[in-house]
Amino acid sequence: KNQVEQSPQSLIILEGKNCTLQCNYTVSPFSNLRWYKQDTGRGPVSLTIMTFSENTKSNGRYTATLDADTKQSSLHITASQLSDSASYICVVSVLQGAQKLVFGQGTRLTINP
Amino acid sequence: EAQVTQNPRYLITVTGKKLTVTCSQNMNHEYMSWYRQDPGLGLRQIYYSMNVEVTDKGDVPEGYKVSRKEKRNFPLILESPSPNQTSLYFCASSLKAGGVSNQPQHFGDGTRLSIL
Repeated sequence: KNQVEQSPQSLIILEGKNCTLQCNYTVSPFSNLRWYKQDTGRGPVSLTIMTFSENTKSNGRYTATLDADTKQSSLHITASQLSDSASYICVVSVLQGAQKLVFGQGTRLTINP
Repeated sequence: EAQVTQNPRYLITVTGKKLTVTCSQNMNHEYMSWYRQDPGLGLRQIYYSMNVEVTDKGDVPEGYKVSRKEKRNFPLILESPSPNQTSLYFCASSLKAGGVSNQPQHFGDGTRLSIL
């Protein structure tokens, strides 16, 4: 069964600190892995998309890593800001005719001043 | 501005009263999709469309209908809404369909439906 598991479910850190969110998946055949940021009351916004051959991809203070062998990904946030408070969703795309995305349940990140 | 627009943003209605949630995108995207988001369950796909007049079921299609008569619009229809369809709904679009597509999905800001 195609599944995406994220940890932790929630995380609280102080402004300026770094943090790492985890994503494990059992999706086959794998096409790509995406990280989305979802602010409260808004739709998800794409942060990164990584294919099988990509190990790391950055978007400003966000850096995603992918280990296709262990089927794990992480999202590292550097020097957190209050605006980073959001849910972060890991999404894996299945390689098939139509676009099939498998969503994780998300990690709720709170940045405190 | 490139965007996906959903209407209404909020709706409270009663069981059995047909409703339509509209979705429109201005990016000339081929692929459009509807999701529902429930606490603890994440986003689940209801229906998707790979192009005009091409639609197919997602993971949770029961109780919903869609149509894709024009490229930019993809309305979600609840013919006879029930309380278990109370949820937060998102429409999304991307340039191309296909699992190999590395195009991101662009999401609307959601429609919160409450069925009493």
